Amino acid sequence: DQQVKQNSPSLSVQEGRISILNCDYTNSMFDYFLWYKKYPAEGPTFLISISSIKDKNEDGRFTVFLNKSAKHLSLHIVPSQPGDSAVYFCAASAHGQNFVFGPGTRLSVLP
Amino acid sequence: DGGITQSPKYLFRKEGQNVTLSCEQNLNHDAMYWYRQDPGQGLRLIYYSQIVNDFQKGDIAEGYSVSREKKESFPLTVTSAQKNPTAFYLCASNNDRNYGYTFGSGTRLTVV
Repeated sequence: DQQVKQNSPSLSVQEGRISILNCDYTNSMFDYFLWYKKYPAEGPTFLISISSIKDKNEDGRFTVFLNKSAKHLSLHIVPSQPGDSAVYFCAASAHGQNFVFGPGTRLSVLP
Repeated sequence: DGGITQSPKYLFRKEGQNVTLSCEQNLNHDAMYWYRQDPGQGLRLIYYSQIVNDFQKGDIAEGYSVSREKKESFPLTVTSAQKNPTAFYLCASNNDRNYGYTFGSGTRLTVV
């Protein structure tokens, strides 16, 4: 059973608009969350993180929101750019445990 | 520059052969990991090592083996017992989970 779910395999957004990528988790012990971006044939690169003591973290065009009661987090990209087209992975960890990754969402930003 | 180097980038293996994927890091990280990526399945953990000379099985360790004789190196051997080895393999390392994992650029293994 997947502990970290990304229910949208793909998402298409117009350049300049907002991209919203969603992630749900089942393990209430998870207390730290990451988003990674991955281009084809490359390793994932770290984007942004959030601890369970916060409900929002912002870094430039990227903002992550955490709703602990719903066990849901989302990544907002504003404004979206063609270079943002990639697969985005959500990952979660309980203290002292390895990160668990979701299956990823492929984002396509259309010019 | 510090980072993780995986080699080779592409690897072809005949059925029944063992093959070893290289992973080297110069980040002075204690922990290292091997993941496998298949389409639609995200990253699945094969093996991990928190310290030299120690490693643990991940979720899909069957058909794989590892060693951790040096802090910098964590090679993965895909044995003939692995039934479906064709995949993209990623090595990662970290010291502090607040910074997540640093990943290598991956090795694509194809069984021919």
